[in-house]
Amino acid sequence: EVQLVESGGGLVQPGGSLRLSCAASGFTFSSYWMHWVRQAPGKGLVWVSRINSDGSSTNYADSVKGRFTISRDNAKNTVNLQMNSLRAEDTAVYYCARGYDTSGYTAFDIWGQGTMVTVSS
Amino acid sequence: SSELTQDPAVSVALGQTVRITCQGDSLRHYYVSWYRQKPGQAPILVIYGQNNRPSGIPDRFSGSSSGNTASLTITGAQAEDEADYYCNSRDISGDHVLFGGGTKLTVL
Repeated sequence: EVQLVESGGGLVQPGGSLRLSCAASGFTFSSYWMHWVRQAPGKGLVWVSRINSDGSSTNYADSVKGRFTISRDNAKNTVNLQMNSLRAEDTAVYYCARGYDTSGYTAFDIWGQGTMVTVSS
Repeated sequence: SSELTQDPAVSVALGQTVRITCQGDSLRHYYVSWYRQKPGQAPILVIYGQNNRPSGIPDRFSGSSSGNTASLTITGAQAEDEADYYCNSRDISGDHVLFGGGTKLTVL
């Protein structure tokens, strides 16, 4: 079964750090771009970051650039999101998603169940 | 522009046809994909690329595009189609991904 399972969410104080992980199974992980997408409570989906299949290229939303770092380990079929200098506005469910990336579009065909991050004192 | 704009809410009578739209400058350069999200659940992909449906998505879902506007059409809406629908594309640079604000579909 093709599956993504996130972990690492929780409650953290403003200015703190958290590391999210996403474990992939059921497909050739090293062939796909991987993305993180977040959704604040009651709000819409917001793209956070992406990493290419071999980990050599990354991109970030302006709102997290310089604070978040995406990485992957193709030997362990995992993608990670290191989140530093967290702010209240980073509070959201964070989804890991498999990207179907072509020259003409990016589609997210597999999603994890999400992990909740709450930034609060 | 680096935004995708969707109507916040749309309603449709059971069995009728509804169109959900997504507007943005980047849609002149990239195809849009569409997602359905029900409360408490992760989104699922319903349309991608030039009107492609993933396995398991009913053929009542279809996509189209013209200029800076893309549309998701549900022909013969069912009660289970009531959900939030999101569009996504890449921005004009190609290095970032955009989502629309979402459309809440109510099936009457």
